[in-house]
Amino acid sequence: DIVMTQSPDSLAVSLGERATINCKSSQSVLYSSNNKNYLAWYQQKPGQPPKLLIYWASTRESGVPDRFSGSGSGTDFTLTISSLQAEDVAVYYCQQYYSTHLTFGPGTKVDIK
Amino acid sequence: QITLKESGPTLVKPTQTLTLTCTFSGFSLSTSGVGVGWIRQPPGKALEWLALIYWDDDKRYSPSLKSRLTITKDTSKNQVVLTMTNMDPVDTATYYCAHRRRDLSGTTFDYWGQGTLVTVSS
Repeated sequence: DIVMTQSPDSLAVSLGERATINCKSSQSVLYSSNNKNYLAWYQQKPGQPPKLLIYWASTRESGVPDRFSGSGSGTDFTLTISSLQAEDVAVYYCQQYYSTHLTFGPGTKVDIK
Repeated sequence: QITLKESGPTLVKPTQTLTLTCTFSGFSLSTSGVGVGWIRQPPGKALEWLALIYWDDDKRYSPSLKSRLTITKDTSKNQVVLTMTNMDPVDTATYYCAHRRRDLSGTTFDYWGQGTLVTVSS
């Protein structure tokens, strides 16, 4: 299995400030034939199911605010919230889909400072 | 509009078999590229993918749970069923079913059910 790790476990950011979450895969999730990174990000608010934010490491799902952006390639990825809003308080998970055995990261909790 | 809803027992005893049903609308599991997956989340813990079934009846399972899981579909009823044998208290979790995003070569989940909490206890 491809093991996903995330850092930090949690972070607290002031409203309007930047939040950065890191995700690392135990092997590359970059598929050479199409040069795409098989990496997605989800947001999960308390009591709700996860919501798909980003796929292909940097493509925002329809309707996702542009303050959310994804970057990275190979084994190292970042989710950035450029200006944290109160409604962004949630746990964020990365997921690899390079392997048909899908795996998620352990999650990063984002709170307001 | 795509919706999914999980149903099944809220409480099962250790060693019993869990059967969960995902009833969906807004898409057909006979359409090329469509898939439905199951993901679980123990209280306060991370997401864990369990199984996935495709429109062509191809199936994928988590390697660590493969021996205990069976996923099937009933296209006419718009349902996907997951069975998990030999339940243990560590299997206590919220179980979600989710729709596979069709236009990707890999699998991400763009629509999720609200989840159903299953507690394993004697």
